[in-house]
Amino acid sequence: QVQFVQSGAEVMKPGASVKVSCKASGYTFTNYIIHWVRQAPGQSLEWMGWINARNGNTKYSQSFQDRVTITRDTSASTAYMELSSLTSEDTAIYYCARDFVGTTFDYWGQGTLVTVSS
Amino acid sequence: DIVMTQTPLSSPVILGQPASISCRSSQSLAHSDGNTYLSWLHQRPGQPPRLLIYRISNRFSGVPDRFSGSGAGTDFTLKISRVEAEDVGLYYCMQGTQFPRTFGQGTKVEIK
Repeated sequence: QVQFVQSGAEVMKPGASVKVSCKASGYTFTNYIIHWVRQAPGQSLEWMGWINARNGNTKYSQSFQDRVTITRDTSASTAYMELSSLTSEDTAIYYCARDFVGTTFDYWGQGTLVTVSS
Repeated sequence: DIVMTQTPLSSPVILGQPASISCRSSQSLAHSDGNTYLSWLHQRPGQPPRLLIYRISNRFSGVPDRFSGSGAGTDFTLKISRVEAEDVGLYYCMQGTQFPRTFGQGTKVEIK
């Protein structure tokens, strides 16, 4: 069965960077695009960007353009999301999710809570 | 960016009764390829979202047929024919026609 296992919760200082991992199993990793979506406490969902797991091409939301980097390691079937220059507004649960028919997301990771606090 | 607006934001329902959620987009979600990319997601407390409906009205694998989607252009609706206890949580509409992907604010379904 398709499954994503994300790395554990992080507590970061303002100005730092965080890197979250998302390990895929149950399907051919390179056949799909992986998205990253975040959810601040009590808020809706916010799309951050995606990576084509086959060729490494990426697309980012303008809201995060200069601060987010999404990469992948095909040998480990793992995608990564790194967010820099963290502020308290980046406190959120970060999810990876698999692309479905190019327009939505079918399987999601369990989420990684990133807390930014001095 | 396309703004997605859901109503109501909260929906208390009686078990076994129907529920309906509306979603309106700030511009048409009709894609140049002829399809309309509106999906619905359900999020139970403490869980990641899960896909219910894609392309307005297509139920994802394993989704019960009490869930149905309809609409066109800028106005869409998710209906639950008979609410069950496991249906509580937040429901989000999401557009997949343009980047960035955007979501509604969420509608909380709870048992009255």
